[in-house]
Amino acid sequence: QLHLQESGPGLVKPSETLSLTCIVSGGSISSRGYYWGWIRQAPGKGLEWIGSMYYSGNTYYTPSLKSRVTISADTSKNQLSLKVRSVTAADTAVYYCARHRRSNFDCWGQGTLVTVSS
Amino acid sequence: DIQMTQSPSSLSASVGDRVTITCQASQDISNSLNWYQQKPGKAPKLLIYDALNLQTGVPSRFSGSGSGTDFTLTINSLQPEDIATYYCLQYDNLPPIFTFGPGTKVDIK
Repeated sequence: QLHLQESGPGLVKPSETLSLTCIVSGGSISSRGYYWGWIRQAPGKGLEWIGSMYYSGNTYYTPSLKSRVTISADTSKNQLSLKVRSVTAADTAVYYCARHRRSNFDCWGQGTLVTVSS
Repeated sequence: DIQMTQSPSSLSASVGDRVTITCQASQDISNSLNWYQQKPGKAPKLLIYDALNLQTGVPSRFSGSGSGTDFTLTINSLQPEDIATYYCLQYDNLPPIFTFGPGTKVDIK
């Protein structure tokens, strides 16, 4: 059974880089036809898609974050990574990784809270 | 950019009631719309894809309809376990871009 688990620092200082890892088990991030994405949710707010990586390695980002975000994968470790540069308090959120085929986000991690504060 | 709105932002209904949530797109999106359910402290769960298709394992009291700019999620006979926030998701496939609606919080009266 596919399982996704986010990990990373819970506290990041303003202007620094937020780095998260999504460990995938029970399936391969190289599985044909699947995307692996990141979605975030600020406290008490709605969901925001950050970006996704196709199994082939192509990446896609939401326009508002594209200049600050990088999604990458380590296929040898079956892990997905997210980096958000120059963070501010507005980047404080629960960050989820999720697998999707087209628009069907069918498997999600439990999410990890990242707080941006000095 | 396509903007998504949902109404109402919250609602309170009794067990057994029929609940309707609407989602509106700022331009024609055909049937490129999904519905997700998020319970407190949990990750979202896919309910409906391509506007009207029930995801495997989702109770049949959930249904979706609509196309173009106006979409509806209906819960027939609301159950206590349906307490959640419901989000619509608009998508483009080429390239993939996803926009969530602001959400509708459903409570039991």
